[in-house]
Amino acid sequence: DAGVTQSPTHLIKTRGQHVTLRCSPISGHKSVSWYQQVLGQGPQFIFQYYEKEERGRGNFPDRFSARQFPNYSSELNVNALLLGDSALYLCASSSQGAPGTDTQYFGPGTRLTVL
Amino acid sequence: AQSVTQLGSHVSVSEGALVLLRCNYSSSVPPYLFWYVQYPNQGLQLLLKYTSAATLVKGINGFEAEFKKSETSFHLTKPSAHMSDAAEYFCAVSAGSGGGADGLTFGKGTHLIIQP
Repeated sequence: DAGVTQSPTHLIKTRGQHVTLRCSPISGHKSVSWYQQVLGQGPQFIFQYYEKEERGRGNFPDRFSARQFPNYSSELNVNALLLGDSALYLCASSSQGAPGTDTQYFGPGTRLTVL
Repeated sequence: AQSVTQLGSHVSVSEGALVLLRCNYSSSVPPYLFWYVQYPNQGLQLLLKYTSAATLVKGINGFEAEFKKSETSFHLTKPSAHMSDAAEYFCAVSAGSGGGADGLTFGKGTHLIIQP
């Protein structure tokens, strides 16, 4: 079975632009979470979606938004990009909507560079 | 709220030697604890998970970790290091069955170097 897939793998944008990152969860998984991993740091939680509803949000500005589609895939959108948004963006899927107990399976990530 | 502290940003061991990566956590509710490994330019792979059952958890690739509530620790060990173990290791905590939808809280990671 395919694991979590993310697209694109790499992306280069300039300050002020908008970006959309995409994630497809493992087949049968209904929950998707997004994490930001800045170079040299551990991942930081951005959002969790379950059954198309936002279930949790980390400490990120409103420039960050996300949504989940009926097929459980998800998009992460970032507006008005800043240099500090340069990071590896990781998507994780789990079978249910309980991030406290479910095992999360991570995709390979999208490397975003903001110039 | 939860937090994780990983002691040692870099750990170097000889091939065949014991691997010990340290993790201490803080949690206001009974936690679930995880160790993930990240190889260069890749996502995170789950090594093992503690879910309030057995305190000694066995994972993949010969790794294991022991949950010690009194020490708020969840250190990762492997009896004999292999060159392929060289990677970044992350300890993470979640709120467990205590609820909350705040995802995983990760430590800053420990870079494991294996000397030939």
